[in-house]
Amino acid sequence: ELKVEQNPLFLSMQEGKNYTIYCNYSTTSDRLYWYRQDPGKSLESLFVLLSNGAVKQEGRLMASLDTKARLSTLHITAAVHDLSATYFCAVDMMLVGGADGLTFGKGTHLIIQP
Amino acid sequence: EPEVTQTPSHQVTQMGQEVILRCVPISNHLYFYWYRQILGQKVEFLVSFYNNEISEKSEIFDDQFSVERPDGSNFTLKIRSTKLEDSAMYFCASRQLASADTQYFGPGTRLTVL
Repeated sequence: ELKVEQNPLFLSMQEGKNYTIYCNYSTTSDRLYWYRQDPGKSLESLFVLLSNGAVKQEGRLMASLDTKARLSTLHITAAVHDLSATYFCAVDMMLVGGADGLTFGKGTHLIIQP
Repeated sequence: EPEVTQTPSHQVTQMGQEVILRCVPISNHLYFYWYRQILGQKVEFLVSFYNNEISEKSEIFDDQFSVERPDGSNFTLKIRSTKLEDSAMYFCASRQLASADTQYFGPGTRLTVL
């Protein structure tokens, strides 16, 4: 059974600070996704990481994937209040056929305070 | 920009009743999914659908659940006899290509079973 673990599950930080969210998963996969969810809203795709060593950046967020360590990180640089949300990583089950469901971590609830 | 739509946004039902949740995936997408999220918890995969049949389903997706693509645009999730524990947000998602692309999520249907 594929397991996806995120830490921390809750993070309160000040604006302007840097921090990293970690996502570990239990099986070989080179397809990892990061989503953002605002309270009461749907999931918004942030990053798709499809190979070992993949790094993607969008604004103050940067995601990376190390398939050998089975680890992805989401780094926040100089946090601003608008980044307050819950962040989920999800791993593709990579089964035959391609219609793979995603296994999600529990999410990191991020609060950025002025 | 094309998006996944879902109806209704909120459904309240009595225990034991049947409910049908509706989704219109993005028009050129080939893979369709249902997920659920119990309040405050992680997103859980229910089922994937491709080429007019179920590709994969989770343990949650028991005989009480069924999916259908009744026409060229709609994708439905039916729960035959709802239980209190079925109360959750149900998300539909679609993907154009197998695994190399992100899954795009709809806004969700909040199901409340009384």
